[in-house]
Amino acid sequence: DTAVSQTPKYLVTQMGNDKSIKCEQNLGHDTMYWYKQDSKKFLKIMFSYNNKELIINETVPNRFSPKSPDKAHLNLHINSLELGDSAVYFCASSQREGREQYFGPGTRLTVT
Amino acid sequence: AQSVTQLDSQVPVFEEAPVELRCNYSSSVSVYLFWYVQYPNQGLQLLLKYLSGSTLVESINGFEAEFNKSQTSFHLRKPSVHISDTAEYFCAVNTNAGKSTFGDGTTLTVKP
Repeated sequence: DTAVSQTPKYLVTQMGNDKSIKCEQNLGHDTMYWYKQDSKKFLKIMFSYNNKELIINETVPNRFSPKSPDKAHLNLHINSLELGDSAVYFCASSQREGREQYFGPGTRLTVT
Repeated sequence: AQSVTQLDSQVPVFEEAPVELRCNYSSSVSVYLFWYVQYPNQGLQLLLKYLSGSTLVESINGFEAEFNKSQTSFHLRKPSVHISDTAEYFCAVNTNAGKSTFGDGTTLTVKP
C-alpha cells in the first residue's frame, strides 16, 4: 500500500481553469503539507496542516486553497490557473510537526 | 528565522569515488536535520536524520552525515558511490514549531 498517494499524477489544463489535486496518507500521521517544486527543482512549502488545522500558510496567492476534510486527507484547489503555476506539486506527511516527512509521488501540473 | 545553504548545486563524480555534499544551516532555535534523496520523476525519500544523540548518523545504503553544531553543518558523505546514487539531494532543517526549510538541492551525477 502506498503511504502517501496523490491524484492525478499528471494534470494538463488551460489558463483560467480551476483544478484540484487530492492527497491521502495511510500512515496515521498528524501533519500534512503541500510543496511546490519548480523547473529548477527548488522546493517551496506552501501549506502545513496539523490535525486538520492550518499551521503554516506561506506567501501563496489566494487562488490556492487547501482543504483537509480529515486527518488523512489534504486537498489542494487552485482557481484561475496561470502559466506560472506550472510545476510539480508534492504532498507530504509527518508523524508530528518537525519530524521527518514522507512524500507523495507528485502531481505534474502543466498550464497552457 | 532559519535558512539552509547547500554549497554545491552540482557534483559530478566517478563511480567508486568518495563524495561529500555540503549543507550549512542557520537557526535561532534547536533544529532537526534531514537529508532527502529524489530520483528522477519521483517524490523525495528520507535518506537520514539527526534528531538528537550521536552526531554521526548513517543510512542503510552507505551514506552518513555528521551534525557539527559549532560549524552549523550537516554534510553528507559516502566513501564509494554507485551509478544508482545519481539523484537530487536535499538538506532540510525543521524546528519543533513545524517550520520546514529545504536547501536548493545538489545534483549528484555518478559517471562510469
